[in-house]
Formats: sequence, C-alpha cells, structure tokens
Amino acid sequence: KAGVTQTPRYLIKTRGQQVTLSCSPISGHRSVSWYQQTPGQGLQFLFEYFSETQRNKGNFPGRFSGRQFSNSRSEMNVSTLELGDSALYLCASSLRQATNTGELFFGEGSRLTVL
Amino acid sequence: DAKTTQPTSMDCAEGRAANLPCNHSTISGNEYVYWYRQIHSQGPQYIIHGLKNNETNEMASLIITEDRKSSTLILPHATLRDTAVYYCIVRVAGANSKLTFGKGITLSVRP
Repeated sequence: KAGVTQTPRYLIKTRGQQVTLSCSPISGHRSVSWYQQTPGQGLQFLFEYFSETQRNKGNFPGRFSGRQFSNSRSEMNVSTLELGDSALYLCASSLRQATNTGELFFGEGSRLTVL
Repeated sequence: DAKTTQPTSMDCAEGRAANLPCNHSTISGNEYVYWYRQIHSQGPQYIIHGLKNNETNEMASLIITEDRKSSTLILPHATLRDTAVYYCIVRVAGANSKLTFGKGITLSVRP
C-alpha cells in the first residue's frame, strides 16, 4: 500500500514568487492536513481538508492557502514568498477526519528554500 | 489542547528498554495521549495513543498514570533505528482540534 506522496521533494524559489505543493494521500484516506516545520517554530499546523472542505485552520497569514480535490489529493499554495517561509512542508492523511482519530500518516515533505 | 512537558533529551543503550516520560498535568477527561516520532529528514510517524488504560502495539507500550497527569512511552528493546525526536501530544478526540507538536524529546540510542 503506497504511502503519502508529496511533490516536489525539494524546490528553490525567490522572494515574491509563489509556490504550489502537492500531496496524494493514502488510498481511501479522505482527510489531508498540512504542517510547516522550521528549526525555530517546530511543527505547526497549517490547515486540514476533508471531503474537499477546509475543516480547520492554523494561525498563518492568508498567503497560505490550500484545496482538496474530489479524489482527496490536496495542494497548498504560498503566495508572495518571504525568506521566513523556508521550511519543510509536511502533508498527512488519515482514514477519517484527522481531528477525530489522531492517527496521521505523514509524507516525506517538500523542502522549500526561499532566496 | 493541554500542554505537555518532556525532557529535552535522553539516551539509552541498544537492546535496552527506553522509557520516555511526558507530563500533562492539565489534561482533560476527554483528551487522549498520542505519541509520534520523527527520524531525521523524515515525516513524523504515529506510534501509539491511549485514553486511560495502558496500551501496547508492535512498536511500543504506553503507560498512563491513574490520575492521567503523566505517561511513559516504552520502547522495549531499543535499536539504533529508534534514534529520533519523540513527541507527546494530548488532544480532544471527536472535535475539530489540530495536533499541537511541542519540542519533543530527542532519544539517542548508543551501540
């Protein structure tokens, strides 16, 4: 059974650009959550999608957005990139709504570097 | 969600049991205790969770005190591959709540 797949694994952008990251959850999983990990702030929750609807949102500016498609795949977008957006972005999927089970299955992450 | 307190780091010898403590003195009656770990450069991995009773699976055992104010994750026979950051998280189940990761405890397993 394939795990959570995130693409791209690594990318470099410059300030002011935008970026789109993709996440394919485990087959059958309908919930996708996104997290940002930085050395200073650790792992922080961005948002959660279930059945194509955003169900929960962390404390991030509106430059961070996401969506989920009918096949449960999800994308997150960061616009007007800042140096501080450099981080490992992790996607997690779960069988039901993530907040009800706690059993999240994480991907390997997309490492974004903003120059 | 209740806050957790974990030591910054600990080490243990390969083959020995690793006992990782976690304090969650303000835990509510409907909050579960979850453990995840993150091996360097990988995404976090779910280990185990519990509410009141002790739990065991193929990876680890979770011991929760009777007053639920603290818990211990036990890796019965630690290997070098268990070297990782271990996160103890408490959260409400059945509600819209997110996983709040603290700094975790860095476990170093030495040969």
